[in-house]
Formats: sequence, structure tokens, C-alpha cells
Amino acid sequence: NAGVTQTPKFRILKIGQSMTLQCTQDMNHNYMYWYRQDPGMGLKLIYYSVGAGITDKGEVPNGYNVSRSTTEDFPLRLELAAPSQTSVYFCASSPPGQGNQPQHFGDGTRLSIL
Amino acid sequence: TQLLEQSPQFLSIQEGENLTVYCNSSSVFSSLQWYRQEPGEGPVLLVTVVTGGEVKKLKRLTFQFGDARKDSSLHITAAQPGDTGLYLCAGFSGGSNYKLTFGKGTLLTVNP
Repeated sequence: NAGVTQTPKFRILKIGQSMTLQCTQDMNHNYMYWYRQDPGMGLKLIYYSVGAGITDKGEVPNGYNVSRSTTEDFPLRLELAAPSQTSVYFCASSPPGQGNQPQHFGDGTRLSIL
Repeated sequence: TQLLEQSPQFLSIQEGENLTVYCNSSSVFSSLQWYRQEPGEGPVLLVTVVTGGEVKKLKRLTFQFGDARKDSSLHITAAQPGDTGLYLCAGFSGGSNYKLTFGKGTLLTVNP
């Protein structure tokens, strides 16, 4: 079972470059999420989506963009990368329900901005 | 903004010891989840508690949701090295809000 797949696993970017972090899930989950995890800071929600064509901002959306053209895919775009965006990024999905369903996480993308 | 405070932030114990980690908030949550995260991997759900005062057991792990649904605890009996990891609590506030609020986590190391 693939679950939630994130690519790439590691990436180093220069300041000002752009990139897209890919996330795909094969569980037919309606809800998908992007988090960033900094040391000692837990998980901060960047963006989330409740279905194809619907996205909304989370707690820390500045500097990021998302799209949700299909149920399976939820890419995260970084424009003009900054050192403050150095972090580990996790994508997650959950089944439809009352919002308290378990979230299934990918293994993360470790991103360094130099 | 709802906050979840976890304590302790770090915990290092010997195999066979018991431990309790705490997750506290000033806000009421509709439900609360506990996740464990191992190095290089994403968090994995351990349990969801939804009723005030609820106690759930998962082998040597006991989870409790406070009566007022503002706090939770995780107790591990006879810890083993395989219990090592980052334990995260996450609260769901209910309604049409599909978002979880995560605590900062407790990093547990169980030494053989």
C-alpha cells in the first residue's frame, strides 16, 4: 500500500529559486494538508484542501501556493525561496468525515535554502 | 488561536521504567489525537479520544482525555527501546473546521 507519497525526499535550493513539492495519495481521501515541521516547533499547517478545486490557507501560508486539480494530487509551490523556508515538509490526507478522522502522512521532504 | 502545550519537551529513561506525558490547553477540543513520529518518517496515529473522561489502552500505552476535554495524557508502562520517538498530540475543535492543532511534541528516548 503506497498511501501518501512525497517527492523529492531531499532538496537544496538557492535563495530566490522556486520549486514544487509533489504529494499524491492513493486512498481516495477528500482532505489533504501541507505542514512544515521545524525543530522543537511541532507541525504548522500551511494549506489544506477539502476536495478537488478547493483550497484554503492554514496558519503559515505566506511564500507558498497550492493547487488541487485532482483528488490524488496536492502539490506545494515555493516561489522565491528564502532561508526561513528551510524545514521538513509533510503532506497528509484524511478520509471524509467530521474532521477528526486520522491523518495519514507521507515521509516528508527535507528542504534547505542556502 | 488554540494552543496545545506538551510536557515534558524531552524525556530520557531506562528500559522498564514508566512514564507519563501531558497535553494541555485552555481551549475545549471536540476530540484529541496522539501520533508517534520516528526519525525520517511522518507521524503515525496511535489513538483518537472523543469523550471527556475517556480512557483508551493500546498494549502498554494508556491514553486519557480530561473530563473538560481540555487536556490529555499518555502513560507508558515498562517502556521499551521501540517506544523511542516524538509523541505529538493534536486537537480538533469541531464543526466545519477540518484542521488539527498540533502540540510541539515530547521527544522520548528509551535506553536499553
